[in-house]
Amino acid sequence: QSVLTQSPSASGTPGQRVTISCSGDYSNIGIGTVNWYQQLPGAAPKLLIYSTNQRPSGVPDRFSGSKSGTSASLAISGLQSDDEADYYCAAWDDSLSAVAFGGGTKLTVL
Amino acid sequence: EVQLVQSGAEVKKPGDSLTISCKGSGYSFSNYWINWVRQMPGKGLEWMGKIDPSDSETTYSPSFQGHVTLSADKSLSTAYVLWSSVKASDTAIYYCARTPRYLTAFDIWGPGTMVTVSS
Repeated sequence: QSVLTQSPSASGTPGQRVTISCSGDYSNIGIGTVNWYQQLPGAAPKLLIYSTNQRPSGVPDRFSGSKSGTSASLAISGLQSDDEADYYCAAWDDSLSAVAFGGGTKLTVL
Repeated sequence: EVQLVQSGAEVKKPGDSLTISCKGSGYSFSNYWINWVRQMPGKGLEWMGKIDPSDSETTYSPSFQGHVTLSADKSLSTAYVLWSSVKASDTAIYYCARTPRYLTAFDIWGPGTMVTVSS
């Protein structure tokens, strides 16, 4: 059971905007930054968003991150079939003294 | 090109010892932490711990403390995970991932090492 809670699944049609949420508390998201990772089927994870809302070089601006209180969100606009993947949020947790990952959200492009 | 290259798949019997490795190239290996992340079959990501290759300082997740040993050889630009006695529950893909000192994010990931433990 992860301390960061994500919905197990999300879906959208091509061109739509979808949002994936990550809920934590004041031991993790509430006191620090959030990172998001994309894991395509059969591949290693890839950094998508760092420091809550920053995109690494090469990540399209269709991907954006935000945070409010103890929850964070990843938004994907202009959904494409290539976006079908598992998405994980992560943050340092002071209570665990460890990096916590969310359970992951499987995004399906219909 | 910045990359992390991991050792190949392993098949072990319960009780065997095991070491897997992660070699960095294309950057100054000592300037970045190396993290290890476990992904059990069909499951999510779990952080195991990290090592600073410059001085081999380690930070373990409480869930993995005592079960694995992290080490690094900066002269070889390589980090390792050691199990003294593997169990069937260690069957998983193990990823190494780099963290810049000024961030908490894992910006470069290795391709993963598949470990299968079966009698």
